[in-house]
Amino acid sequence: AQSVTQLGSHVSVSEGALVLLRCNYSSSVPPYLFWYVQYPNQGLQLLLKYTSAATLVKGINGFEAEFKKSETSFHLTKPSAHMSDAAEYFCAVTQFSGGYNKLIFGAGTRLAVHP
Amino acid sequence: DTAVSQTPKYLVTQMGNDKSIKCEQNLGHDTMYWYKQDSKKFLKIMFSYNNKELIINETVPNRFSPKSPDKAHLNLHINSLELGDSAVYFCASSQERTSGGRVSYNEQFFGPGTRLTVL
Repeated sequence: AQSVTQLGSHVSVSEGALVLLRCNYSSSVPPYLFWYVQYPNQGLQLLLKYTSAATLVKGINGFEAEFKKSETSFHLTKPSAHMSDAAEYFCAVTQFSGGYNKLIFGAGTRLAVHP
Repeated sequence: DTAVSQTPKYLVTQMGNDKSIKCEQNLGHDTMYWYKQDSKKFLKIMFSYNNKELIINETVPNRFSPKSPDKAHLNLHINSLELGDSAVYFCASSQERTSGGRVSYNEQFFGPGTRLTVL
């Protein structure tokens, strides 16, 4: 079964600093990978997805992620953090089961951005 | 023009009661899901329906019963509520894509969540 590990349940950065949120996956087949963001008291919003095309994926709000098969990683980065980036971030991998895909989520990383 | 909507947004109830949460999507998707997010923010799928047919049923107590009257709606009924049912429940929808006979990736769109508190 597929699984997702997000290293660091809390990450704190200064405004303007690099954001790096780590995600490692286990998958026996080529995976589809996603990053979702959850702002306080809201649902999840898709940031970006990897679907076996380009390994460097660009998403919304200046985020991007690089798929590295050799490292089984899909880390999320943003060159310069904004205060509005403070949220919970979830990495997810698809698991093919019973003829359908389902999403397996990591435990989430809370990003705090301070002035 | 909300894509995935849920009602109610907040639900506070006593142990032992029965309650329902409703979900509607106007995206024309054929697959809908229920997720439970616990107090530690961990998200776990509970159920999924494709064209009104149950396709994913995780290890969930049978007090939880989903119902899909049509492709655009997926409701969740919970009997005999327990303290441990307190969580945020999210509905989501997606359009299944098939490639080479295999169901391809499915970008899921989430509702705003229903915060259930059982006292």
